[in-house]
Amino acid sequence: AQSVTQPDIHITVSEGASLELRCNYSYGATPYLFWYVQSPGQGLQLLLKYFSGDTLVQGIKGFEAEFKRSQSSFNLRKPSVHWSDAAEYFCAVGGTSYGKLTFGQGTILTVHP
Amino acid sequence: EAGVAQSPRYKIIEKRQSVAFWCNPISGHATLYWYQQILGQGPKLLIQFQNNGVVDDSQLPKDRFSAERLKGVDSTLKIQPAKLEDSAVYLCASSGGPVGSGNTIYFGEGSWLTVV
Repeated sequence: AQSVTQPDIHITVSEGASLELRCNYSYGATPYLFWYVQSPGQGLQLLLKYFSGDTLVQGIKGFEAEFKRSQSSFNLRKPSVHWSDAAEYFCAVGGTSYGKLTFGQGTILTVHP
Repeated sequence: EAGVAQSPRYKIIEKRQSVAFWCNPISGHATLYWYQQILGQGPKLLIQFQNNGVVDDSQLPKDRFSAERLKGVDSTLKIQPAKLEDSAVYLCASSGGPVGSGNTIYFGEGSWLTVV
């Protein structure tokens, strides 16, 4: 069975600081990995995705993520956080041909001015 | 391009009542999903349709939840009778095809259900 663990429930950073959100997955074959962001009262917006190829993936809003097979990780990074990045971030894994996504429990990001 | 549309956005009902949520996916998207997101948790897949056929409903509480996708376009998710623990956001999503083929899943803004 596929699963995702996001070890950090809540992270607080100062505006302008760098950010790394952790994601560990469990899947028996090559996974498809995703990061979504959810602002209060909104649906999920896709930040980036990994299917194959280059293990460093660039996304929207200046985010990037690196797939590390040896560590079963897909951590999300941003070099300089903006106040508008405050939201909840979800990592997800999928791999079956019909695309069932399994989500982690989410990490809430708070940005201090 | 229009996104995934859902209605109603908010609903408050008493326990044991019924409720229905409607979803219109992105035009041309064959795959449609209903996810349940309980406060403080990640979304959990309830049911997945490929066109108008069910691909996965293993986590759908079939004694009270039902879903249909007539004609392979719009979908309706029904809860009857509702329980307090059904309070959640119900997210509809769609994709052009299987994720395994490189497709992205797009989410609607969700339907917020409170059962009192």
